[in-house]
Amino acid sequence: VQLQESGPGLVKPSQTLSLTCTVSGDSISSGSYFWSWIRQPAGKGLEWIGRIYASGSTNYNPSLKSRVTISVDTSKNQFSLNLSSVTAADTAVYYCARGDVDLAYWGRGTLVTVSS
Amino acid sequence: SYGLAQPPSVSVSPGQTASITCSGDKLGDKFACWYQQKPGQSPVLVIYQDTKRPSGIPERFSGSNSGNTATLTISGTQSMDEADYYCQTWDSNTGVFGTGTKVTVL
Repeated sequence: VQLQESGPGLVKPSQTLSLTCTVSGDSISSGSYFWSWIRQPAGKGLEWIGRIYASGSTNYNPSLKSRVTISVDTSKNQFSLNLSSVTAADTAVYYCARGDVDLAYWGRGTLVTVSS
Repeated sequence: SYGLAQPPSVSVSPGQTASITCSGDKLGDKFACWYQQKPGQSPVLVIYQDTKRPSGIPERFSGSNSGNTATLTISGTQSMDEADYYCQTWDSNTGVFGTGTKVTVL
């Protein structure tokens, strides 16, 4: 199983951060797992952003819920993250991951910098 | 909101045992897992469902979870085990990570 994050590395303040995770070696539509986004600011700890099931059902971190949307495209075997109204505090490495009770497979992560 | 507390750092001599704690309200009633993260790399799952090791993880890694505390134990610690370690659980369908512990092998 491999996951690969993609998207802009630079986003302006107040705009929307958009990332896509492409999955290979597994089918999102199998419905066996959920698909998560996690982020990590430089030098800091991991923060869970949210997850989505193949059905489209989602759960979000309450601290980010008002700004986060996670969606899935089973035809492309991808899932996506949108984070609106970003500020410098949203600068981080963003990871996508496959999970069950744990997160067994992670992407390599992509750095997103919020700056004008 | 639910929180998981870890000691910021743990130091251990090569060959000795390192224990990392993760504290949360009634954590023993939930499943806990542990991730190892080396600089510039993605986290790697080392313990899942409290005590289980994924394929490829050395036997020196073990876990327990009871009461309010989950513990990751590294027996016979090697220099390659120097890394950050994070516990993780789920509370009300929300993922929660611990604050992280830096393990230094002196």
